[in-house]
Amino acid sequence: QVQLVQSGTEVKKPGASVNISCKASGYTFTRYYINWVRQAPGQGLEWMGIISPGDGSTSHAQKFQGRVTMTRDVSTSTVYMELSSLRSEDTAVYYCARETDGFDVWGQGTMVTVS
Amino acid sequence: SALTQPASVSGSPGQSITISCTGISDVGGYKSVYWYQQHPGKAPKLIIYDVTNRPSGVSIRFSGSKSGNTASLTISGLQAEDEADYFCNAYSTTNTHVVFGGGTKLTVL
Repeated sequence: QVQLVQSGTEVKKPGASVNISCKASGYTFTRYYINWVRQAPGQGLEWMGIISPGDGSTSHAQKFQGRVTMTRDVSTSTVYMELSSLRSEDTAVYYCARETDGFDVWGQGTMVTVS
Repeated sequence: SALTQPASVSGSPGQSITISCTGISDVGGYKSVYWYQQHPGKAPKLIIYDVTNRPSGVSIRFSGSKSGNTASLTISGLQAEDEADYFCNAYSTTNTHVVFGGGTKLTVL
């Protein structure tokens, strides 16, 4: 079945970086964009950025300019999102989501705690 | 959020409720609208795409519409399992970026 499986919980200190993986299976990896969305505790959803697994092109929300890097490895059908210069406000669950018409498949989420 | 939703709505089992999402504009603004349902501790689930369409497997009790700069999600025949958070989102036509509404907590009384 189509699924996105993310890496596990992370605890980081302020100023550090975190790298989250999102492994796709059950479909042609290069065919659909992957988005990254985060959700702070008790808060709403916040779009971070998007990557094309086909050509590796990316775009991100202005808020994360200079701090977010998205990459992909076609050989393993995996996308990665690195967020640097972490601060306490980055504590959140981070999701990857496949985009077809809307975000139709989501990863299980990765909890990142900055403390 | 660039898209505005009510913080909460409630209804009794069997009733219908509507959640609004304001700030949608076709001109120089956002294209299409999507709705997501999120139960506590779970990932969001797509329930409406392109304003009015339901993905396969989503109950016909969920419907979407749009009028002017406001999109709406209607849930008819409320059931206890519908109690969740609901989020709208749209794509900006100017930079292809995505925005989410702040979310609406639905309580089934």
